[in-house]
Amino acid sequence: RKEVEQDPGPFNVPEGATVAFNCTYSNSASQSFFWYRQDCRKEPKLLMSVYSSGNEDGRFTAQLNRASQYISLLIRDSKLSDSATYLCVVTTSGTYKYIFGTGTRLKVLA
Amino acid sequence: NAGVMQNPRHLVRRRGQEARLRCSPMKGHSHVYWYRQLPEEGLKFMVYLQKENIIDESGMPKERFSAEFPKEGPSILRIQQVVRGDSAAYFCASSSQRGDYNEQFFGPGTRLTVL
Repeated sequence: RKEVEQDPGPFNVPEGATVAFNCTYSNSASQSFFWYRQDCRKEPKLLMSVYSSGNEDGRFTAQLNRASQYISLLIRDSKLSDSATYLCVVTTSGTYKYIFGTGTRLKVLA
Repeated sequence: NAGVMQNPRHLVRRRGQEARLRCSPMKGHSHVYWYRQLPEEGLKFMVYLQKENIIDESGMPKERFSAEFPKEGPSILRIQQVVRGDSAAYFCASSSQRGDYNEQFFGPGTRLTVL
């Protein structure tokens, strides 16, 4: 089983739609969680950190469910510019290695 | 404040040649990480360095790959005798403190193509 798993997609949604991605992780000792965005052939950029209490940044909401070992990302009112690959990142207690999921591709259609 | 810089952005090598990838961390950052992204796959950790020290190289292939972060100058990822399977995007990241709770900032990557 992969340490971090994501549905590769693609998720094709119309502009203005709400879309949600999940990411599951296998190591219960995982301690830090992030969502990164990667545009085609470019570097990953931090979208948001994921806190235990959940957090929101504009149209983006991230949540953590430790009991079920998954994190989620909700995007409201999708824009064409949201089209990208969304990478789930997990770190484990005592380490600094980012463990990446393979990413979920999102295409927002006009 | 310049971000993480990597060069070259694209590198073409023939099988058996050496590849040298360079990474300059963000100003004030002393922690450097190298990741490799194979086509259609996620990024995989390779090595974590601080100035003049390799802290964790558990993700590095045992042969042909080496990394350094000298006191002066950029971090270097060196691949000797490249093979086609080394073709990938190599991303460098840096952080101001150890990057478990602290965001790692990524460079634009070096795309290595082995002919």
